[in-house]
Amino acid sequence: AQSVTQLGSHVSVSEGALVLLRCNYSSSVPPYLFWYVQYPNQGLQLLLKYTSAATLVKGINGFEAEFKKSETSFHLTKPSAHMSDAAEYFCAVSYSSASKIIFGSGTRLSIRP
Amino acid sequence: GAGVSQSPSNKVTEKGKDVELRCDPISGHTALYWYRQSLGQGLEFLIYFQGNSAPDKSGLPSDRFSAERTGGSVSTLTIQRTQQEDSAVYLCASSFEGLAVESTQYFGPGTRLTVL
Repeated sequence: AQSVTQLGSHVSVSEGALVLLRCNYSSSVPPYLFWYVQYPNQGLQLLLKYTSAATLVKGINGFEAEFKKSETSFHLTKPSAHMSDAAEYFCAVSYSSASKIIFGSGTRLSIRP
Repeated sequence: GAGVSQSPSNKVTEKGKDVELRCDPISGHTALYWYRQSLGQGLEFLIYFQGNSAPDKSGLPSDRFSAERTGGSVSTLTIQRTQQEDSAVYLCASSFEGLAVESTQYFGPGTRLTVL
């Protein structure tokens, strides 16, 4: 079955530290991969999207993710965390340009002052 | 331009009642999706519309759930005889189906449904 696994339901980092949120997918063909962010009491916002154009994808708010086919991974990183980055982050996958998105279970990111 | 809108933002109902949730997609978006976000199940797909037809309704949890889309625009998700396990945030998303880079799903703010 198609799936996405996010390692760590909760990640806590200090302000200014590196943010690394892990995501692995199961697929026999290159999928479309996404990271969405959900701030408290808000809807889902697309951070970035991989569509095979480039393996390193830059998104909004300084986030980026690297597609590694050999590792079936799509980890999200940000060099320096801000307090405003505190939110729930969802890795997701779809298998065509127009199909349902399958979401991971989410990772809650907390930022320590 | 306007994003995806959903109404109502909050709905409290009694067990056994029917509810209707509405989604207004971004103008010009041909595809529309319904998802559900709950504590126990996370984010799960319900149904996908292309125009007014639903080629994928595999995520609807039971026959109490139905959805329709009219005029290639507004969609309504109906839950009949609501149960407490239906309590969740129902999210709608829309996209323009063309080049892959443009087929990004944009999400609405959701409708929080509470079944007492």
